[in-house]
Amino acid sequence: SSELTQDPAVSVALGQTVRITCQGDSLRSYYASWYQQKPGQAPVLVIYGKNNRPSGIPDRFSGSSSGNTASLTITGAQAEDEADYYCNSRDSSGNPWVFGGGTKLTVL
Amino acid sequence: EVQLVQSGAEVKKPGESLKISCKGSGYSFTSYWIGWVRQMPGKGLEWMGIIYPGDSDTRYSPSFQGQVTISADKSISTAYLQWSSLKASDTAMYYCARSYSSSWYNWFDPWGQGTLVTVSS
Repeated sequence: SSELTQDPAVSVALGQTVRITCQGDSLRSYYASWYQQKPGQAPVLVIYGKNNRPSGIPDRFSGSSSGNTASLTITGAQAEDEADYYCNSRDSSGNPWVFGGGTKLTVL
Repeated sequence: EVQLVQSGAEVKKPGESLKISCKGSGYSFTSYWIGWVRQMPGKGLEWMGIIYPGDSDTRYSPSFQGQVTISADKSISTAYLQWSSLKASDTAMYYCARSYSSSWYNWFDPWGQGTLVTVSS
C-alpha cells in the first residue's frame, strides 16, 4: 500500500474548480510533485515544489500544501484535463520516493 | 529538447532474462538521476529505483530490491533496467524519467514513452 493517499475518483463540471488531494506524513516536511496521465500516454509533470509549473503547463493548474496534505487545484477545468493524477514525494519509511495511488478526474 | 527514448516492446517467456534501455539527450546525462517506474495493466505508478549516472549511485524500492537491476552507461547516455528471470507478474509498462531532488522538493521530467513488457508462456 502507498504511503501517500489519494481519493480514487473525483468529478468536476466543465469550467468549474476542482481540488485533488494527497495525504501523507512525509508531506509535513517535503513538497509533493504532481503528474497527469492520459490513457495510453506517459505521465507528464504538472506541478512541483511550493507551486511551480513546468513550461507549457496552463496556469489553471496550481499546487498548495498544509500539514500532511498536498493539493492540486484546477481552476476552470477543461475537457482535456480529464486524466489520472498522481502525487509523488518522499516515503516516510525511508525510501527515496513513493507515488500516491492516483485520482481519476472526470470532467462532466 | 530534453528527451528520453526507451527501447521497444518485448514479449518473453517466464524464466527468460531481459534488459531494457532508456537513452537521454538534450541535457547533461551525468548531472541528473534517472528513475524507473512500473505500471501494471490498469493500475497506478510504482517507483522502482533510481540511478545517478555520474557515479552509478543506485537506490531501490524495497519492493523491487533483488528483483531487478538498474545500471547506466554514461558514455552512451543510456540507463538500463534488467531482469535475470522474468515472471508473468512482471508484465507491465515500464517508464524511465529524469529526476531532480533538493531538500524541499523533487520532480520527474521528462518521461520516456514507456516499454511494454509481456511475459507469457
